[in-house]
Amino acid sequence: DIVMTQTPLSSSVTLGQSAYISCKSSESLGHSDGHTYLSWFHQRPGLPPRLLIYKVSSRFSGVPDRLSGSGAGTDFTLEISRVEVEDVGVYYCMQAKQFPWTFGQGTKVEIK
Amino acid sequence: EVHLVESGGDLAQPGGSLRLSCAATGFTFTAHSMNWVRQAPGKGLEWISYINDGSNAIYYADSIRGRFIISRDNAKNMLYLQMNSLRVEDTAVYYCARDYSWTYTIDFWGQGTLVTVSS
Repeated sequence: DIVMTQTPLSSSVTLGQSAYISCKSSESLGHSDGHTYLSWFHQRPGLPPRLLIYKVSSRFSGVPDRLSGSGAGTDFTLEISRVEVEDVGVYYCMQAKQFPWTFGQGTKVEIK
Repeated sequence: EVHLVESGGDLAQPGGSLRLSCAATGFTFTAHSMNWVRQAPGKGLEWISYINDGSNAIYYADSIRGRFIISRDNAKNMLYLQMNSLRVEDTAVYYCARDYSWTYTIDFWGQGTLVTVSS
């Protein structure tokens, strides 16, 4: 199975500043079809996750452009620019290169 | 508007069985693969099963293989998870989740249903 490792596991961010979350995979997520199936999700307490980013850097419908994904191979990053109160919660990366799909442990973001 | 509504979560004894259901509305069910993802209390997300539109491609996580069965009824727009030989460690919120066609990710999630396995 592909292991996904996120760092940091928690982050305290000042409003208006940027937050960065790293996600590393135990093997390259580059698929034979040329795509890289790495997604990012955000989960607020008591709610289901919601999709933010798919295929490394494609923003899902309704996701503000303050959020951006980047990376390739085994190293990926989610950047949250100009952090707002609505950004608090837990962020997960997920690989879908192969089954079983696997998630990172989650990164909790809070406001300082 | 896409809606996924899970039901069937309950308290079960170790070794027991439960059947989860997910009612899908607001989209063409037959055009999407579906997943089950679970989250133990206070823990992270765990993908557990996938079924494609025609039910001819099914995958399971090792943690549930041989005990759980995913299925779907396209005529009724329903997704199911038959859970057998339940263990204490199966205690979790179970989410029904729609596959975002051709992108290998999940674009919509239900609100989840709680399964508690305890004696």
